[in-house]
Amino acid sequence: DAGITQSPRHKVTETGTPVTLRCHQTENHRYMYWYRQDPGHGLRLIHYSYGVKDTDKGEVSDGYSVSRSKTEDFLLTLESATSSQTSVYFCATYNRSRNTGELFFGEGSRLTVL
Amino acid sequence: SQQGEEDPQALSIQEGENATMNCSYKTSINNLQWYRQNSGRGLVHLILIRSNEREKHSGRLRVTLDTSKKSSSLLITASRAADTASYFCATGELSIQGAQKLVFGQGTRLTINP
Repeated sequence: DAGITQSPRHKVTETGTPVTLRCHQTENHRYMYWYRQDPGHGLRLIHYSYGVKDTDKGEVSDGYSVSRSKTEDFLLTLESATSSQTSVYFCATYNRSRNTGELFFGEGSRLTVL
Repeated sequence: SQQGEEDPQALSIQEGENATMNCSYKTSINNLQWYRQNSGRGLVHLILIRSNEREKHSGRLRVTLDTSKKSSSLLITASRAADTASYFCATGELSIQGAQKLVFGQGTRLTINP
């Protein structure tokens, strides 16, 4: 358990509004990720971070931005939400020093864009 | 694009029976991992097998990897009602920044009937 907290857990918003999802971890893991999960697609990587202020794009990064100003926090922002961004968003962390390869996941944030 | 294709998409068996799930992938991998997701929850790591390994065991779990066929299987023996969940395979590769980047399959929904 990497002590990952996602907020909010549920959010309903309207098309065109900005949305920020927050991921907070207490284990000091260097690497953090945002994935989205949709029926028929499994989980797809949006962005990831390899350190404070260091981020890179994933498979489905269009329409999303991220920021990491502290080791423990990784924010995902939808500048102008669209209905296609309705999804469940998962944050994950990775502790490379353990050399187990596993990612630790949060409980998810369900976003509905009307 | 998804790396892993899982088969079957859904599996329903009686408690005590064995459950086998298969995963195929497309490109070279560093490792392959299996995760479990209970309904409405985050993913939990089950087991990792590296590209130079052929078989691995963990409790009631047995994972095989055939890199020549680009396929893996997860066997759960002596299933229990509590094993009811969705199971995902994920292929792993390390980014140049050292991040473990996982590409997930669509998952197999396993139902264990009492």
